[in-house]
Amino acid sequence: QVQVVESGGGVVQPGRSLRLSCAASGFTFSSYAMHWVRQAPGKGLEWVAVISYDGSNKYYADSVKGRFTISRDTSKNTLYVQMNSLRGEDTAVYYCARDESLGILGYWGQGTLVTVSS
Amino acid sequence: QSALTQPASVSGSPGQSITISCTGTSSDVGGYNYVSWYQQHPGKAPKLMIFDVTYRPSGVSNRFSGSKSGNTASLTISGLQAEDEADYYCSSYTSSNTWVFGGGTKLTVL
Repeated sequence: QVQVVESGGGVVQPGRSLRLSCAASGFTFSSYAMHWVRQAPGKGLEWVAVISYDGSNKYYADSVKGRFTISRDTSKNTLYVQMNSLRGEDTAVYYCARDESLGILGYWGQGTLVTVSS
Repeated sequence: QSALTQPASVSGSPGQSITISCTGTSSDVGGYNYVSWYQQHPGKAPKLMIFDVTYRPSGVSNRFSGSKSGNTASLTISGLQAEDEADYYCSSYTSSNTWVFGGGTKLTVL
């Protein structure tokens, strides 16, 4: 069955970096675009970034552009997001999700919590 | 990339119907038929309920339906059930090749 499992969250100081991973299984990873979506505690969903099925196209929310980098490793069936210059407002549960077609997020992981605090 | 506008809360009694609106602009909701709706129960991951404005994924009850008029999309839930109580989010593709979510609507089943 289709599964995406996030990892790498934790507590990090402002200004530092963190890399999240999303391990995919049960489907042909190289055939699907993938997204990162986050949710601050008690708040709504916020779209973060998307990467095309082959990694050639990447798009970001304005709030993370220039600080976050989305990438994928097809050999490892894994999606990543490198988060630099972290701020308190980046504190959130980060979800990865499979794109069925043009932003239809059909499968979501359970999320990994990132807390940015000194 | 401003969030789409949803009512903060809606409520209804079991068996009734409710509608949640999602208002954007001509650069997102109004410009494309790429609006999705997600249901999220507390502590759980979101679940896709409607895609491409009106389509239901396999396994989603036909009590859920979607529509769009101009810059506003809507999710209607008929025959409300206790299990429908959750947060609901709309999302849309945008002209910047990005996506945007609504602020979310808390549905209470009275």
